[in-house]
Amino acid sequence: QLQLQESGPGLVKPSETLSLTCTVSGGSISSRSYYWGWIRQPPGKGLEWIGSIYYSGSTHYNPSLKSRVTISTDTSKNQFSLKLSSVTAADTAVYYCARSEVFDIWGQGTMVTVSS
Amino acid sequence: QLVLTQSPSASASLGASVKLTCTLSSGHSSYAIAWHQQQPEKGPRYLMKLNSDGSHSKGDGIPDRFSGSSSGAERYLTISSLQSEDEADYYCQTWGTGIYVFGTGTKVTVL
Repeated sequence: QLQLQESGPGLVKPSETLSLTCTVSGGSISSRSYYWGWIRQPPGKGLEWIGSIYYSGSTHYNPSLKSRVTISTDTSKNQFSLKLSSVTAADTAVYYCARSEVFDIWGQGTMVTVSS
Repeated sequence: QLVLTQSPSASASLGASVKLTCTLSSGHSSYAIAWHQQQPEKGPRYLMKLNSDGSHSKGDGIPDRFSGSSSGAERYLTISSLQSEDEADYYCQTWGTGIYVFGTGTKVTVL
């Protein structure tokens, strides 16, 4: 069955760029039926949608993060990626990838801490 | 603006039922939503998609104890025969053109 797995550094320095990859297995990211999304959850807080991408490259971003976010796909590797620039401690969170639009399949999540 | 409103907490006794509410903002009463469960120290789990007419489609392996219903701008999740593992945070989520929104979550306590 379809599975998603996040990967990337667990520690990022302030002002640097956070980079994460979501690898999709058991299905193709090129499916015409779905967007693929990133969601985060700061410690003790709720879920926040970051952005979503279609296999063709069409993207949608949370307006509150849009100036710092880039999401891209690599269909040859069946992956999509997140870059969040100029991070601060407020970006410390568990980052999840999931299949849109109802987020019916989630990755296990990866904790990213922003600290010097 | 597309916003989802949830009560912060709810509780019910073991074996009883609890009904959670998610309210769509004005002008968005026709929107479908999804319900997600997050047990302590775990990632979110998709429960179901719930349409404005009350029809819903559940995720794989979701017990029959979980059901959804709708009335106007309100979307409900009912958990029957509460079990200890149902103690969790429950988030509603919706989407529009180019935007996805989560509610703030309801923490369910099983007494």
